[in-house]
Amino acid sequence: AQSVAQPEDQVNVAEGNPLTVKCTYSVSGNPYLFWYVQYPNRGLQFLLKYITGDNLVKGSYGFEAEFNKSQTSFHLKKPSALVSDSALYFCAVRPNTGGFKTIFGAGTRLFVKA
Amino acid sequence: SAVISQKPSRDICQRGTSLTIQCQVDSQVTMMFWYRQQPGQSLTLIATANQGSEATYESGFVIDKFPISRPNLTFSTLTVSNMSPEDSSIYLCSVGGGQGAMNEQFFGPGTRLTVL
Repeated sequence: AQSVAQPEDQVNVAEGNPLTVKCTYSVSGNPYLFWYVQYPNRGLQFLLKYITGDNLVKGSYGFEAEFNKSQTSFHLKKPSALVSDSALYFCAVRPNTGGFKTIFGAGTRLFVKA
Repeated sequence: SAVISQKPSRDICQRGTSLTIQCQVDSQVTMMFWYRQQPGQSLTLIATANQGSEATYESGFVIDKFPISRPNLTFSTLTVSNMSPEDSSIYLCSVGGGQGAMNEQFFGPGTRLTVL
């Protein structure tokens, strides 16, 4: 079965430190990979995506993500965390089969402490 | 990008009643999606709504429980029928960023439903 795993329910980092939110997937072929962020009482916002090409993709708010095909991972990173980055982060994978069906991870809550 | 609004933003309903959630997009889109986000859990796709055709429901979701309307390219409604406490959830409307499957999705702010 196709799945997306975010192994950490919660990640805690200090402001100014680098952060990583992990995502691995089990989807055949070359899927499209996405990260979304959800702030309290708001819908999901798109951060970045990997379609093809360079394994390091850059997105909104200084976030970037590294695609690793051999490890089927797509970890979200930021060199220096801000308190305002505290939110719920979702990894999402869409099989490259022409449809729009998207599989979402369970989400990782990021806490950035001042 | 697309700007999506939903009504109501939240509601508290009695068991056995129905609630209709509205989703309005600021641009014409072909496909609209309805998701459920249960407390502490991820998003689950309920159905895909295309204008001019019947909605396509995912496994575990049926039209009698979650009827969907899609009267035009900017609007859709999802009804949660004969509600039970297990239907308490956040319901999200979403659209694709373009025609291609490689495009990201845009989401409405959600409707937080509590069923007593």
